[in-house]
This record gives sequence, C-alpha cells and structure tokens, in this order.
Amino acid sequence: RKEVEQDPGPFNVPEGATVAFNCTYSNSASQSFFWYRQDCRKEPKLLMSVYSSGNEDGRFTAQLNRASQYISLLIRDSKLSDSATYLCVVNIRAGSYQLTFGKGTKLSVIP
Amino acid sequence: DGGITQSPKYLFRKEGQNVTLSCEQNLNHDAMYWYRQDPGQGLRLIYYSQIVNDFQKGDIAEGYSVSREKKESFPLTVTSAQKNPTAFYLCASSLNDRGVGNQPQHFGDGTRLSIL
Repeated sequence: RKEVEQDPGPFNVPEGATVAFNCTYSNSASQSFFWYRQDCRKEPKLLMSVYSSGNEDGRFTAQLNRASQYISLLIRDSKLSDSATYLCVVNIRAGSYQLTFGKGTKLSVIP
Repeated sequence: DGGITQSPKYLFRKEGQNVTLSCEQNLNHDAMYWYRQDPGQGLRLIYYSQIVNDFQKGDIAEGYSVSREKKESFPLTVTSAQKNPTAFYLCASSLNDRGVGNQPQHFGDGTRLSIL
C-alpha cells in the first residue's frame, strides 16, 4: 500500500452537489490527519484537521476510520470557489515531525 | 501580519550555478520545512529543522543544503549537484509537536525555479 493514496480525479460536479473524497494511509500508528486545499500554481492551505470523532466546519465534514485506515472529506452544497486540488496529509512516520502529503484529488465545480 | 515569506517568487538558474531560496517566518514557529513539488506530483520533503542550529534530511536531500542560524530563517541552497532542479519550492513552518500529535504546517507562497 502506498503511504498516502488518493483518487487523483478529476471530480467534475455541478454547483450545489455533494462530493466526497477518500484517502487511505499505510501506517496504523499514524495520529495526525489533515486536509489541505491547493489552488492552481499556489501554495497548499490548511482546510481542516481531522479528529477521531469526526469534525465539521460549515459545509465541510472530515471523518477518520482507523480500522480501515482511511480519512474522508465531504463537501456539501459545492460552490464554484471550491474548485481546487484537495490534499490528504498524514504523519506516516509516527513520532517524527514529518507529514506525508498525498498527490491530491482535483475538484472542478461546474456552473 | 504574521506569515511566511519566500523570495524570490521566480528564479532562473544557469547550469552549474548554486542558488539560494529565502524563507522567513514571523509566526514564532520552532519547526521549518522545505518541500519540492513537480507538476502533477505530491510534495516531497527536502530538509526540515525542529530547532535553531539543527536540521535533518528529508526524502530527497541530495543536491540541496540548508542552514538554521536564526529561528525566523531557513534558507535553501540548490547546488549544481542537483541535476533536475526545475520545480516549485515550498517552505513551511509549524509549532513543535507537544506530544499530542503533529501540528499543521503553514506554507509560504513558493518559489518557482527554472533552468536557463
């Protein structure tokens, strides 16, 4: 299994749709999980941390499934401005400062 | 405004030249990182530093060097030994892990390096 694996997409969805991304990770001892957003030719920006009990921030919901070693991101009521690449980030090397970034899933929200 | 500043935004290098990319942060973060991103690829860690005067190699350190003489600054030198330096370089910083899991990393807006 790759360290952090995401479906590259692209996901092309109409405005107002609900879209879900999954990300699998290889190390069952990983403790820290994040979703970042990266716009074309820009730096990644933290979207949200992912907590064990799941967490929500407005239209965005993140969940963690430790048993199956995956995290998910749900975006409700998609906006045009949600178009970006979404990066899954995990501390694969548990106990170190290193975070491992997935290659990202590209989302295009279409009018 | 608190943040991470990278400079220059665009940099061109002749073959055989060393170039240095600047990264400065005023977030009072202890840890700093350098990544490289190639088109369609994920971020790959070059070097990181948890504290002043200390740094560790990441996954692709060959052909790069760093220093961490000040908390605020973590410059990256791309040496002539790096045979394929054209990429998007990103600097990040974070608070130190205090035993409750990693802190998220915050990024500068990057430097695009190209070979002439």
